[in-house]
Amino acid sequence: NAGVMQNPRHLVRRRGQEARLRCSPMKGHSHVYWYRQLPEEGLKFMVYLQKENIIDESGMPKERFSAEFPKEGPSILRIQQVVRGDSAAYFCASSPGTGPSGEQYFGPGTRLTVT
Amino acid sequence: DQQVKQNSPSLSVQEGRISILNCDYTNSMFDYFLWYKKYPAEGPTFLISISSIKDKNEDGRFTVFLNKSAKHLSLHIVPSQPGDSAVYFCAASAKTSYDKVIFGPGTSLSVIP
Repeated sequence: NAGVMQNPRHLVRRRGQEARLRCSPMKGHSHVYWYRQLPEEGLKFMVYLQKENIIDESGMPKERFSAEFPKEGPSILRIQQVVRGDSAAYFCASSPGTGPSGEQYFGPGTRLTVT
Repeated sequence: DQQVKQNSPSLSVQEGRISILNCDYTNSMFDYFLWYKKYPAEGPTFLISISSIKDKNEDGRFTVFLNKSAKHLSLHIVPSQPGDSAVYFCAASAKTSYDKVIFGPGTSLSVIP
């Protein structure tokens, strides 16, 4: 999983501010996934993107959260007007394709703390 | 509703012995199962997987067993080593949406030297 880069590793925001989390997939991977891990819980799927397309965002909260994966540059998970409940570890994963042979490779995560 | 359950939050095993981590699922549409391992401050790392057409898959010290009728799978690590101490996540997906991998809450394994 060393190939998937996430930054920042730690992010502190005050309530009401915006958080922007970045993910650069492994070289050659065009599929990106975002997960959220709340304390004492497993990873919850949020969104699946391919270049310039959101494929499945069924796990994204309806408000304040958005994601993009532009043609150039990293994938961005954006949280507007953060609240304390947004404090969690956010993991990005990438794969070369989808399907059972496309195991996902995870980045080290961004730990968001909302004060 | 938790579709993938790992009922043991933690497990301690002596070095050299077998570690058995259990996982249950509720969604009968799941047909592909994965185990990931996670060290603190790192992202999960893929460990081993199994398709529903099989009931066993082995890779070195790691073996995954699948019992479809019971909707149960288990990961066996033998012999266990101190470096195996980590959180293990069971995960599942369905052919209708392989992109959406559903993870269990994890089991923290401690291998005691």
